[in-house]
Amino acid sequence: KQEVTQIPAALSVPEGENLVLNCSFTDSAIYNLQWFRQDPGKGLTSLLLIQSSQREQTSGRLNASLDKSSGRSTLYIAASQPGDSATYLCAVRRDNYGQNFVFGPGTRLSVLP
Amino acid sequence: KAGVTQTPRYLIKTRGQQVTLSCSPISGHRSVSWYQQTPGQGLQFLFEYFSETQRNKGNFPGRFSGRQFSNSRSEMNVSTLELGDSALYLCASSLDRLKEAFFGQGTRLTVV
Repeated sequence: KQEVTQIPAALSVPEGENLVLNCSFTDSAIYNLQWFRQDPGKGLTSLLLIQSSQREQTSGRLNASLDKSSGRSTLYIAASQPGDSATYLCAVRRDNYGQNFVFGPGTRLSVLP
Repeated sequence: KAGVTQTPRYLIKTRGQQVTLSCSPISGHRSVSWYQQTPGQGLQFLFEYFSETQRNKGNFPGRFSGRQFSNSRSEMNVSTLELGDSALYLCASSLDRLKEAFFGQGTRLTVV
């Protein structure tokens, strides 16, 4: 059974810092991995999608990497801003198993002005 | 382009009642899936629909059901509501079953 963990559970940093969020999964037979952010009481916003054959994806100040064999992904946020404050979730999709994500518990990020 | 639309946004129901939630996917998206989010269990997969057929189902009791229409819009139904069904219900759509998923704002269901 696929299990996804995220470390740390919460993180508080001053504005401008670069930071790394970690995601680990137990079964390497994934099709892809997607990072989301969630603001309190809201839905999920897609940040980055990494296919199992890719090593990394970049979008603006965000960079996500994937090491499928070791069951790890990291989300790197450069020059953090207060607007980045949110909960960040990683989700893995099983090999060819359709739109059935297994989510991690999330990392709650606070960026202080 | 319009995102995933879920209605209603908020709902209060009494134990024992039933409820229907609606999800309109992004235009052109054919895959719709549903998730339940609670503080204790996090995000859990309910079911997935593609081309009006249920393709996957999570580990939820039969009180939870859904369907998808020919225009890809989807509804989920919960019968005989329990207090533990209080949650944020999220719908996601994607172009096909393995493409990037986009989520709606959710429906907050409170059972009293």
